[in-house]
Amino acid sequence: QQPVQSPQAVILREGEDAVINCSSSKALYSVHWYRQKHGEAPVFLMILLKGGEQKGHEKISASFNEKKQQSSLYLTASQLSYSGTYFCGTDSGGYQKVTFGTGTKLQVIP
Amino acid sequence: DADVTQTPRNRITKTGKRIMLECSQTKGHDRMYWYRQDPGLGLRLIYYSFDVKDINKGEISDGYSVSRQAQAKFSLSLESAIPNQTALYFCATSDIGLGRSTDTQYFGPGTRLTVL
Repeated sequence: QQPVQSPQAVILREGEDAVINCSSSKALYSVHWYRQKHGEAPVFLMILLKGGEQKGHEKISASFNEKKQQSSLYLTASQLSYSGTYFCGTDSGGYQKVTFGTGTKLQVIP
Repeated sequence: DADVTQTPRNRITKTGKRIMLECSQTKGHDRMYWYRQDPGLGLRLIYYSFDVKDINKGEISDGYSVSRQAQAKFSLSLESAIPNQTALYFCATSDIGLGRSTDTQYFGPGTRLTVL
């Protein structure tokens, strides 16, 4: 079953912050986050393993609440280059069989 | 050179035709995957292979078959294409899932398939 992402779409002005949520009905081993630009392949952002860790990548960070089976992606001080569709992927078995959500379309405008 | 390549990049075919999409990788990964992407539905797993002798069905395998010819090659076939198989198809690879923070999937550039 696909994880549920929210919101489905968001428009930001440069410099604003955003949070994208990912929720699963299954116990999770890991959560993966990818960004896809229009017409391109998804590109890996980060992976979070069970243990409730939080990771960061420049101004993009994420948290993983294992008990709630939820993850959130935080984008701070957004830049035009952040535009794209963000996908979370969940792995329940630890075997790299990832199920992706339907995506959150993020548009950053000047 | 790209680590994960897909051929063809674009293909238009007719209903009932057999078509094969090919994926090659130079990353040395054991695990390979085929996904299809449709607007609003995200990426859905068709088949995955953890090594040459281990092939598994994903969420939406009906109407598709695969062949793992070698560690580096994983092909997806549509035996008799139908219009609702029109989609963007991605191949991906990953290293062994040992729970490391580097366990990520690397995607090919995609094949845009149109079935008329």
